[in-house]
Amino acid sequence: NAGVTQTPKFRVLKTGQSMTLLCAQDMNHEYMYWYRQDPGMGLRLIHYSVGEGTTAKGEVPDGYNVSRLKKQNFLLGLESAAPSQTSVYFCASSYSRYGMNTEAFFGQGTRLTVV
Amino acid sequence: GQQLNQSPQSMFIQEGEDVSMNCTSSSIFNTWLWYKQDPGEGPVLLIALYKAGELTSNGRLTAQFGITRKDSFLNISASIPSDVGIYFCAGQLRDDKIIFGKGTRLHILP
Repeated sequence: NAGVTQTPKFRVLKTGQSMTLLCAQDMNHEYMYWYRQDPGMGLRLIHYSVGEGTTAKGEVPDGYNVSRLKKQNFLLGLESAAPSQTSVYFCASSYSRYGMNTEAFFGQGTRLTVV
Repeated sequence: GQQLNQSPQSMFIQEGEDVSMNCTSSSIFNTWLWYKQDPGEGPVLLIALYKAGELTSNGRLTAQFGITRKDSFLNISASIPSDVGIYFCAGQLRDDKIIFGKGTRLHILP
């Protein structure tokens, strides 16, 4: 029962480098989300997807891109990392139907440091 | 945009005390969720509420879905050291998006 799995768990990048964070879920969920968590800011939504092949912007999308080529995977890309993107990134997934298992399940997070 | 106001931001309590935290919004929610996050981990679901007025318990935790559908509270009775962490509320809107409060950090004094 893997649930939501994020890779990698830790990463240090130099300013200007690019990287992709991978999220995989095995619960057949339609919705997937990428959040960032900063001290005192709680969880802020970066991008989300309501199904395979679809993506949408969240609260703080600038500097990030996402892709949902397969239903079970949601990728978060940083094309040119900046120190302001130092954060802990969480992926989550959920069913979409109202009143039917609408909880969001989270991965364990990726701690990214941009130097 | 929609926002959840979660309070208090942090709490310092003695072991054994009861705890209460809440979330309010100007938006109407279909579902309220309460999560706990331990250090170095992702949030884990504690309680899910699906109907206005619903009161649900999970051990020492009790949560309620406000009758106006714009608020929810979480109570923890007889706190113990392992209750330390960050508690988040989350609400699901009519368009199925889930938004989170900024969290309540619970500290327990020895």
